[in-house]
Amino acid sequence: NAGVTQTPKFQVLKTGQSMTLQCAQDMNHNSMYWYRQDPGMGLRLIYYSASEGTTDKGEVPNGYNVSRLNKREFSLRLESAAPSQTSVYFCASSEAETGSYEQYFGPGTRLTVT
Amino acid sequence: GQSLEQPSEVTAVEGAIVQINCTYQTSGFYGLSWYQQHDGGAPTFLSYNALDGLEETGRFSSFLSRSDSYGYLLLQELQMKDSASYFCAVRGSGGYQKVTFGIGTKLQVIP
Repeated sequence: NAGVTQTPKFQVLKTGQSMTLQCAQDMNHNSMYWYRQDPGMGLRLIYYSASEGTTDKGEVPNGYNVSRLNKREFSLRLESAAPSQTSVYFCASSEAETGSYEQYFGPGTRLTVT
Repeated sequence: GQSLEQPSEVTAVEGAIVQINCTYQTSGFYGLSWYQQHDGGAPTFLSYNALDGLEETGRFSSFLSRSDSYGYLLLQELQMKDSASYFCAVRGSGGYQKVTFGIGTKLQVIP
């Protein structure tokens, strides 16, 4: 049981390049999330998916797109990277139906845009 | 929208008790969570309060007062390994799936 996995762990992009961050969970959770974390800013929600086939904007969605490929996988795409998107990106999943709102986080992707 | 306030830094002595406060503003409320994050690591879940009162899990306890829009995390018998950042997070306006995190409280435990 790997929990939540993210690839890649580290990435350096040039301004204007595109990339997709991958996230997968093996806990059969319905809900999945993408956050970014910047120093002194805490975790900010980019997008979330309450269930397979649905996605919704969070607090900071501009410059990002997401795809809920199936119940296990939720990807985050940067179409044209900007230095302001330099951050640590965390994927998370949760299962609200059990009554526990615990979110399980992946190890993170450290992205630098130059 | 939703917003949370918590102290940015707290220092406490090994073996002591420390309380980390969190106040929140939200138009709807489902619950308040606490997460721990060590430097370079991912956040891990500590506790969740949906109703008023105290929830205890080992050395950690969490309290909620919905009428005061206030909660706290209590850490007892502090250990050096408790040095980490602690985040409160609220589920509120926008639906129970939408979670807003505070900026985090960096706890330093000193000998």
